[in-house]
Amino acid sequence: KAGVTQTPRYLIKTRGQQVTLSCSPISGHRSVSWYQQTPGQGLQFLFEYFSETQRNKGNFPGRFSGRQFSNSRSEMNVSTLELGDSALYLCASSFSGGSGTDTQYFGPGTRLTVL
Amino acid sequence: AQSVTQLDSQVPVFEEAPVELRCNYSSSVSVYLFWYVQYPNQGLQLLLKYLSGSTLVKGINGFEAEFNKSQTSFHLRKPSVHISDTAEYFCAVSVVGSGNTGKLIFGQGTTLQVKP
Repeated sequence: KAGVTQTPRYLIKTRGQQVTLSCSPISGHRSVSWYQQTPGQGLQFLFEYFSETQRNKGNFPGRFSGRQFSNSRSEMNVSTLELGDSALYLCASSFSGGSGTDTQYFGPGTRLTVL
Repeated sequence: AQSVTQLDSQVPVFEEAPVELRCNYSSSVSVYLFWYVQYPNQGLQLLLKYLSGSTLVKGINGFEAEFNKSQTSFHLRKPSVHISDTAEYFCAVSVVGSGNTGKLIFGQGTTLQVKP
């Protein structure tokens, strides 16, 4: 089975721009979670989608948004980029994600650099 | 609210020596516990998880962890490390039940440096 794929792997943007990151989950997985990883704040949960609906959201400003398509692929968007948005963005997929017991399988991440 | 504390930011150890990476958690509700490993320029890979039952959990690559409810700890151990174990290790929890779907709460990570 193919793993979780994320595109692009690297991005460089400037302040004020917006960016869209893509995540394709493992086949059959319907839950996709997104995380931000920075040296200062560590790994922080952004949001989780299941069947095209956002079920859970972390403590991030509204500039961070996401969506999920009918094939379970997910995108996250960051508008009006700030320097502090520079991070590794990881997505993880699981079968259902609901009970907390499902293993989350992580993609390799998208490294976003904001100049 | 839940929180995870990894007590050591870096752990240097010689090859073939044993290692323990410490993790404590705080939660007012029941949680599941996980250990993930991250190799450079890669995503996270699950090493092991504790859901219920036996408090000693065995994972991949020879790692094991012990859940201690009274001390709210979930320390990771390996009896003999290899150079290839050099990586960053993350302890994480998720809340039991459906109230926090898809959300893992991570510790700050411990960098394991295995020296020849």
